[in-house]
Amino acid sequence: DVKVTQSSRYLVKRTGEKVFLECVQDMDHENMFWYRQDPGLGLRLIYFSYDVKMKEKGDIPEGYSVSREKKERFSLILESASTNQTSMYLCASRSGRFTMNTEAFFGQGTRLTVV
Amino acid sequence: AQKVTQAQTEISVVEKEDVTLDCVYETRDTTYYLFWYKQPPSGELVFLIRRNSFDEQNEISGRYSWNFQKSTSSFNFTITASQVVDSAVYFCALRGPNQAGTALIFGKGTTLSVSS
Repeated sequence: DVKVTQSSRYLVKRTGEKVFLECVQDMDHENMFWYRQDPGLGLRLIYFSYDVKMKEKGDIPEGYSVSREKKERFSLILESASTNQTSMYLCASRSGRFTMNTEAFFGQGTRLTVV
Repeated sequence: AQKVTQAQTEISVVEKEDVTLDCVYETRDTTYYLFWYKQPPSGELVFLIRRNSFDEQNEISGRYSWNFQKSTSSFNFTITASQVVDSAVYFCALRGPNQAGTALIFGKGTTLSVSS
């Protein structure tokens, strides 16, 4: 079974803190993604990576950065957390950089609260 | 522009009722894929089905069935004889060749509540 593991289910951080959300997948997938899920807005893509050290902006990258030093790990970084970044964060991975027909596998999500 | 619309925000049914979740998509691509995911209260999105744009054959899997109609750009999902365990948020998603990273574009989701 493919497993995508996010390091924390729940996090509470203070405004201005630097926050790291970690995601690890165990199926040697090329592609990894970070989404943000908010009520009424669905899932929105923050960043994605199709290879080690490669990263591309998604639809809402402002206030975030990412790091992919190893193929299995994709980190989302909030440089200076703000209350409007309180949300559910979902990591996903998928095989095949240029293929369209493979499904994405998701982690269990990290519910981040910024106070 | 690529877009997925799930017009039903919330649906409530009683167990054993049939329920259809609507999904309408927009794309200019001729080749694309459509997906349905289920998100139970635990939070993890679970893959349900994938359908490519050249395959309009409807699919049935147990109590689940999907109706894909290119003429109306719809990919609707029906649960027959719903059960309490079907309570979840359901997302329809689209992937085309020109999307960044071939990432999924999601609808806003439909929350299904099934009561006993």
